[in-house]
Amino acid sequence: GIQVEQSPPDLILQEGANSTLRCNFSDSVNNLQWFHQNPWGQLINLFYIPSGTKQNGRLSATTVATERYSLLYISSSQTTDSGVYFCAVKGMDTNAGKSTFGDGTTLTVKP
Amino acid sequence: DGGITQSPKYLFRKEGQNVTLSCEQNLNHDAMYWYRQDPGQGLRLIYYSQIVNDFQKGDIAEGYSVSREKKESFPLTVTSAQKNPTAFYLCASSMSSGRQYFGPGTRLTVT
Repeated sequence: GIQVEQSPPDLILQEGANSTLRCNFSDSVNNLQWFHQNPWGQLINLFYIPSGTKQNGRLSATTVATERYSLLYISSSQTTDSGVYFCAVKGMDTNAGKSTFGDGTTLTVKP
Repeated sequence: DGGITQSPKYLFRKEGQNVTLSCEQNLNHDAMYWYRQDPGQGLRLIYYSQIVNDFQKGDIAEGYSVSREKKESFPLTVTSAQKNPTAFYLCASSMSSGRQYFGPGTRLTVT
């Protein structure tokens, strides 16, 4: 099946700093999503981005499907951005319902 | 108030007992999913359903069972055959194979 690798595994920032999280995947995808999991376990869908670039406030994401990677940018980070960021993909050759999640990037933003 | 509800938030069971986790959505989504998350890990797909009265096994279906008798409901039963049932269980829904939205999760502890 498709492999998903996220980097870095851990990231510690001072409030106000910018960061880039990366998601590499091993095969063509028709669906890519970025999620934020808060310390209580709730997952929030940040972006549905199988290709191209999207922005939502201080967050933006870019997926380059031909090169099999996606980037999540966080600008002017805040302590509330802390948590785990997951990338999830669905390969072209898998059943429509099967998403594969990466192991996540744990972000800690210090005040 | 639209969304996905999971109950209960915390669940404790003795080894050897079956337990059923509830997942309800009022988003009119066709597809529903169950994931398992172990500490420090990503999400792994247990079962998913793309339409009422139909469901497919995910990557770790052994020891679990589901039903999809109504569009809005997708209960998960953790059977006594599941060797390591203690985990965080997350339910999600989506339109077709698109953007997924997650419930708050159920933390199951089996002793």
